[in-house]
Amino acid sequence: AQTVTQSQPEMSVQEAETVTLSCTYDTSESNYYLFWYKQPPSRQMILVIRQEAYKQQNATENRFSVNFQKAAKSFSLKISDSQLGDTAMYFCAFMPPGGGADGLTFGKGTHLIIQP
Amino acid sequence: DTAVSQTPKYLVTQMGNDKSIKCEQNLGHDTMYWYKQDSKKFLKIMFSYNNKELIINETVPNRFSPKSPDKAHLNLHINSLELGDSAVYFCASSLGGGPGDTQYFGPGTRLTVL
Repeated sequence: AQTVTQSQPEMSVQEAETVTLSCTYDTSESNYYLFWYKQPPSRQMILVIRQEAYKQQNATENRFSVNFQKAAKSFSLKISDSQLGDTAMYFCAFMPPGGGADGLTFGKGTHLIIQP
Repeated sequence: DTAVSQTPKYLVTQMGNDKSIKCEQNLGHDTMYWYKQDSKKFLKIMFSYNNKELIINETVPNRFSPKSPDKAHLNLHINSLELGDSAVYFCASSLGGGPGDTQYFGPGTRLTVL
């Protein structure tokens, strides 16, 4: 079974700073998918970014980018020019190669606070 | 337009009652899911369902049952509610449940059992 570990329960940075959230995972699979979801105080789960393990290029979405290190089984999320609206819980999630029918495996989350 | 919707958003009920949470998606997806988020914010899959197969997480009590009247709906029925069932329940959907299909989540239903 896969496990996903987010070692930072909470982080706090100043607005406009860059912050990196860490995620490591454990799997014996060679192909899989990784996701970062954001959960603001509204409770809605919002997809931030996704990465296919067979792609070496790191995914980017505007101010959000990942550092995917397959050998190290690491999938960190970098938020540049952080904004107050980035304050949220951030969850790293793993999907096995067979797809999501068994559901996503989530980490315990990192609570990110952006200070004005 | 809301892609994945859930009703109600909040549900407060007494122990022993039976309740349902409804979920609808207008994305044309084939696979739907239910997740439970506990008080520590940990999310765990409960069920996934498409028109061919129901996959149940083995840790889910049989008091919980998903029911799908059609492809766009997956409702969650809970019998004999217990205090430990208090949580936020999320519905999600994906195109086919296949490799890499992104899951889109509803707004969640906060269930409180008194």
